[in-house]
Amino acid sequence: GAVVSQHPSWVICKSGTSVKIECRSLDFQATTMFWYRQFPKQSLMLMATSNEGSKATYEQGVEKDKFLINHASLTLSTLTVTSAHPEDSSFYICSARQSTEQFFGPGTRLTVL
Amino acid sequence: GEDVEQSLFLSVREGDSSVINCTYTDSSSTYLYWYKQEPGAGLQLLTYIFSNMDMKQDQRLTVLLNKKDKHLSLRIADTQTGDSAIYFCAESINSGYALNFGKGTSLLVTP
Repeated sequence: GAVVSQHPSWVICKSGTSVKIECRSLDFQATTMFWYRQFPKQSLMLMATSNEGSKATYEQGVEKDKFLINHASLTLSTLTVTSAHPEDSSFYICSARQSTEQFFGPGTRLTVL
Repeated sequence: GEDVEQSLFLSVREGDSSVINCTYTDSSSTYLYWYKQEPGAGLQLLTYIFSNMDMKQDQRLTVLLNKKDKHLSLRIADTQTGDSAIYFCAESINSGYALNFGKGTSLLVTP
């Protein structure tokens, strides 16, 4: 199946710093990528839909100025958590759509101290 | 969005069949998915079913869809210890194939 990578796989940062997470589709082009957030023992919550060459569409309650999404190419979308705070600590997972299927990255665990 | 409901926990013996149930919310969902998540890892797509189908079989996996009741099930035949994981059902929402997930069913397979 199609492969999606994320980098970094985990990151620890100080409160107030910004963190960038990359999501790449390795063997296919994805016009649409999605960003999800998963709290411990919880389900995945859709944060935003990222479309190549256009602005991301954010779900209700997700601050677009805090979670900056850039989908610069058909194989790369980035999520930047700006001025991170401890409550932003979570598991962030991206997915890339290929036809009717979504393939997920391995996730990035963010811990904000 | 509204909740996709799943039972939280299921325990079966190795070699038995496992059935994980899910109730979804959006009758207009085009596709319904089953994903597997192992500890600390991302999601692995197991299978999906188009909404106009009643059943789909893929090796040890059988998906049943009751569109009238908005009920989806995943049957794993001859369950193995390596099948122990969290299983999420998900419905496609909007027209862009974003997914609305259930909370996941934790499957424990005992020897």
